Amino acid sequence: LAKTTQPISMDSYEGQEVNITCSHNNIATNDYITWYQQFPSQGPRFIIQGYKTKVTNEVASLFIPADRKSSTLSLPRVSLSDTAVYYCLVGVLSGGYQKVTFGIGTKLQVIP
Amino acid sequence: DAMVIQNPRYQVTQFGKPVTLSCSQTLNHNVMYWYQQKSSQAPKLLFHYYDKDFNNEADTPDNFQSRRPNTSFCFLDIRSPGLGDAAMYLCATSSRDRVLQPQHFGDGTRLSIL
Repeated sequence: LAKTTQPISMDSYEGQEVNITCSHNNIATNDYITWYQQFPSQGPRFIIQGYKTKVTNEVASLFIPADRKSSTLSLPRVSLSDTAVYYCLVGVLSGGYQKVTFGIGTKLQVIP
Repeated sequence: DAMVIQNPRYQVTQFGKPVTLSCSQTLNHNVMYWYQQKSSQAPKLLFHYYDKDFNNEADTPDNFQSRRPNTSFCFLDIRSPGLGDAAMYLCATSSRDRVLQPQHFGDGTRLSIL
C-alpha cells in the first residue's frame, strides 16, 4: 500500500479556503485517493475520493495532478466546526472492496 | 440514522479479563473492518471480513480475535487485555462493487484497562 505524507497540523481563520496537500509518491496505477475527516471521539467520515484530475462535491474539492504523486483537499470557507483531523488515504480496489492504510493525518484548527 | 453502531461506547475491563466489543450495521455491506486507534494516532487496521471470509493483518496480535455470525454483526474479542490495548476500537463497513466504495465508520468503543 502506498505511503502518504501530509502536514501534521494547520491553522486557518474562519471563512478562509484551506488547502491540505498529501504526497503519495509510490501510488500505483490502480490506487484511488480518499480523504476522511475525524472529530474527537468519533469515527472517521468520508469526505471525497478521486482517481485523477478534479473531483468536487458539496463539502470539498480534490485536485489530483497528472502524475498523481500528490493530491490537494480544498475546503472552501471553513468554519469552526471544520476543526478536525483530516486523513489522506491511498488504497486499491481489490476483490471489489478497498483496503487502506491511514497516515498520521493533518490536524486542522480553525480560529475565530 | 445511525448506520454502523458500536456498543458500548465506553468499556472498562480488568487486566487479563476477556472483553468483547460489538458492531452492527444496517447497510447490508459485505465487508466489515476492525481498527485500533490509540491516542493521537491514526487508525490501524486489525482485520476485516469479506462476507464470512476472515482476513487478519500480519501484525495483529493473537490476543485479538473476531467473529461475524451474520452480515449485520461483527465482534472483536480481546482474550487477555493488557495495558497497551487501551484504545479506541473502530468498526467500519464497505460494500463490494466494481466501483470503489468508501468505508463507513461507527463512532467507536473506547476501551480502558484497569
